[in-house]
Amino acid sequence: DAGVIQSPRHEVTEMGQEVTLRCKPISGHNSLFWYRQTMMRGLELLIYFNNNVPIDDSGMPEDRFSAKMPNASFSTLKIQPSEPRDSAVYFCASSLRGALNEQFFGPGTRLTVL
Amino acid sequence: KQEVTQIPAALSVPEGENLVLNCSFTDSAIYNLQWFRQDPGKGLTSLLLIQSSQREQTSGRLNASLDKSSGRSTLYIAASQPGDSATYLCAGGGHGGTASKLTFGTGTRLQVTL
Repeated sequence: DAGVIQSPRHEVTEMGQEVTLRCKPISGHNSLFWYRQTMMRGLELLIYFNNNVPIDDSGMPEDRFSAKMPNASFSTLKIQPSEPRDSAVYFCASSLRGALNEQFFGPGTRLTVL
Repeated sequence: KQEVTQIPAALSVPEGENLVLNCSFTDSAIYNLQWFRQDPGKGLTSLLLIQSSQREQTSGRLNASLDKSSGRSTLYIAASQPGDSATYLCAGGGHGGTASKLTFGTGTRLQVTL
């Protein structure tokens, strides 16, 4: 298995632009997670899906952030409009079922908003 | 609300030493405790997962323990090697059915020197 796949690996954009991050979970995994990692706040859960349905989005910072999972093999995290404080590494992870089973992380997308 | 703390933030040891990394959590009603490794610029790799009913888990040179009553977990690394250099994060899994999620510590950055 190729593991969790994320794209792009690096993204540099200007403030106000729309940013879309993509994730392909491990085949057969029913749960998908989006995390954000910064030096100041560490690793934070933004949102997670079970069977393509958002279960907990309490970590989404504000309405500028949105996430979708149209099918079991694809998810997007969108930021519109982006701001410099959104600069971070965004990780996608998946698990067989639920947040408490072993989670497998992708390599992350390093986002820089100028 | 679960809070997870890891002290020290950084640790340097000579090759061959045995070492212990510490993790503290505030909510003893923990479902499980997971230890991850993160290499620079990479995602997280799951190392060990201890269920609340267990006291320890072992994998090769790694041994993780869980003491719910004291709110502590330790990761023991035997005969450390330079390849063990990485950041180690622990994460507590809380109860809550489908709303359960992991709360991460900020990590201990380990450097094993020659």
